[in-house]
This record gives sequence, C-alpha cells and structure tokens, in this order.
Amino acid sequence: EVQLVQSGAEVKKPGESLKISCKGSGYIFTTYWIGWVRQLPGKGLEWMGIIYPGDSDTRYSPSFQGQVTISADKSISTAYLQWSSLKASDTAMYYCARLRSSVRNQPFDYWGQGTLVTVSP
Amino acid sequence: EVVLTQSPGTLSLSPGERATLSCRASQSVSSSYLAWYHQKPGQAPRLLIYAASSRATGIPDRFSGSGSGTDFTLTISRLEPEDFAVYYCQQYGTSPRTFGQGTKVEVK
Repeated sequence: EVQLVQSGAEVKKPGESLKISCKGSGYIFTTYWIGWVRQLPGKGLEWMGIIYPGDSDTRYSPSFQGQVTISADKSISTAYLQWSSLKASDTAMYYCARLRSSVRNQPFDYWGQGTLVTVSP
Repeated sequence: EVVLTQSPGTLSLSPGERATLSCRASQSVSSSYLAWYHQKPGQAPRLLIYAASSRATGIPDRFSGSGSGTDFTLTISRLEPEDFAVYYCQQYGTSPRTFGQGTKVEVK
C-alpha cells in the first residue's frame, strides 16, 4: 500500500528556519516524482514544486522559486520542504503528494496527511 | 501561466441529483492534461479524474470527466452523501502546474 506520512504540526516565529518531511513507503521511492502543495487557511491549492528522488532533479513554480527549498534523501525514502526565514504569510497547510508515474506530466495520485505550519510572533 | 476558472463557486444540490462542474482554461491545455480532485473538510485532496476523462483507481463510475482544449466538465451522475466537498481542477501540461480556485458542492 502506497503511503506518504508527513511530520507533525509546527509553530514557529518569523525569521526562524524550518524543514518538514514526507516519508514514502509501499513503492519504489526513487522512481516517482514527489511534490508539495500549499493551502492557505480557508483557500485553495497551490502547486509549489516537485523533485525526482532518483537524481534530485527539482522543478519549482515561479511563485515559490527562491522562497523554499525542496530536497530528498533517497536512502530513507523521505522528501523535505524547507524555509530559511519564515514569514507570517507562510502560515498554511502543506501537503506532499506523489505524481501518478515517473513522467512529469502527471497529476498527484497519493497524498500525505498534511503538515500545518503556523508562523506567529 | 495557465489560469483555471471554475464555475459555479458553490453548487447547492440534494443527494441523488446530478452535479455539473465547469473548469475553463485561459489557454489550451496540452494533451488534455487536466485532472479533478475533491477535498473533504480536514482531509487531503483525492484524485478523481486524470487526462480529462480517465477515472483514477477506486473512483466510482458516477464520476465522469469530459472536455478538451480550454473547456472541461466534471459530472457526478447521482450525488451520494460522501460527495459533498470542494472540487478542484488542475492542469499538468504546462509549467507552472496550476489549480482552479475550487467549486464547493453543498447540501441544499
């Protein structure tokens, strides 16, 4: 059974750094793109970027390029989303999700449970 | 960037009724790379339809997708209680990938 299990909720202050995780299981982690989606409170879904754990090829939406870093450690089947300096506007639910196949032109077929990030003074 | 506009914003229907949701793209979606998801409160989204009209694994046949180019439709033939949720379309043919703003299907 394919599963994506995300790290727990975080409460941080503006300016702090953060790295959240997403552990994949039940499939060959290195052969599927995995990505991140942001959902601001009460709002819709925003596609942030994806990474191919096999070779760490990473693609970002222009809206998020330079704002976050997506990485992966294939030895432990885990993808990451990190911030070097959080802002209050980063407060949101963050989902990791797997692309439906090894090809980039695919939707997300499996999703993590979400990680709520709260940034408050 | 491909902008996806979903309509209506809210659809108020009763169980057993037919739901028709629209997703219009600002430019042609290449190769019909259009997906539909739904999201229930407190849950992650779930993939329903990909490639405009193919049902994802485990999705019942009351869900169907159609369309090409810039106009796409999700139809739920007979609403079940578990279908009341927010529905999103997504294009994955052009970078950056984008989602529509969502249509809420609520109980009338």
